[in-house]
Amino acid sequence: QLQLQESGPGLVKPSETLSLTCTVSGGSISSSSYYWGWIRQPPGKGLEWIGSIYYSGSTYYNPSLKSRVTISVDTSKNQFSLKLSSVTAADTAVYYCASLFRSLGIAAAGFFDYWGQGTLVTVSS
Amino acid sequence: AIRMTQSPSSFSASTGDRVTITCRASQGISSYLAWYQQKPGKAPKLLIYAASTLQSGVPSRFSGSGSGTDFTLTISCLQSEDFATYYCQQYYSYRLTFGGGTKVEIK
Repeated sequence: QLQLQESGPGLVKPSETLSLTCTVSGGSISSSSYYWGWIRQPPGKGLEWIGSIYYSGSTYYNPSLKSRVTISVDTSKNQFSLKLSSVTAADTAVYYCASLFRSLGIAAAGFFDYWGQGTLVTVSS
Repeated sequence: AIRMTQSPSSFSASTGDRVTITCRASQGISSYLAWYQQKPGKAPKLLIYAASTLQSGVPSRFSGSGSGTDFTLTISCLQSEDFATYYCQQYYSYRLTFGGGTKVEIK
């Protein structure tokens, strides 16, 4: 069973870059069955997909965030990471990493079957 | 992007009730739909994928149906541990989108 754990600063200043890492255990990040995704949830609100990555490095981003998001993967450490630049208070949210089980026939699409516990990132000076 | 609309946004129910939550896609998504349950302070939990396939370990009182644009999640006999918020998610497109959520509260 996969386990995912987010790590990174809980407080980021406006205009700076939010950086989070997700460590995967219980399986290989190089599995052909999975993409790896980031999802966020502002306090009291719903879920928003940020982006996904395959172990090969192929990335897929939410168009609304694409200009500010970079997701990368480090297969040697079984980790993938999120960077979100030029943050504002609107980026305050719980950030989740999750495994995205591939849907056959549709590139980069699937459902999230394992989730990290989530980490609250607050954007404030 | 494919917009997912859930209804109702919240409602109250009693243990033992049969409850149904609806999710509508802005365009046809075949059966590429998942349902999640989220409790306060916790990560979402996958309940159903492919519109009607129960994830391993999920109680059989949960069921899903639908295809195309209209989907439902049904809880046949509501238990105390089922009071939570439920989200649908489409994966017809790599631009994954979630519904706004349905909060099931205790009456």
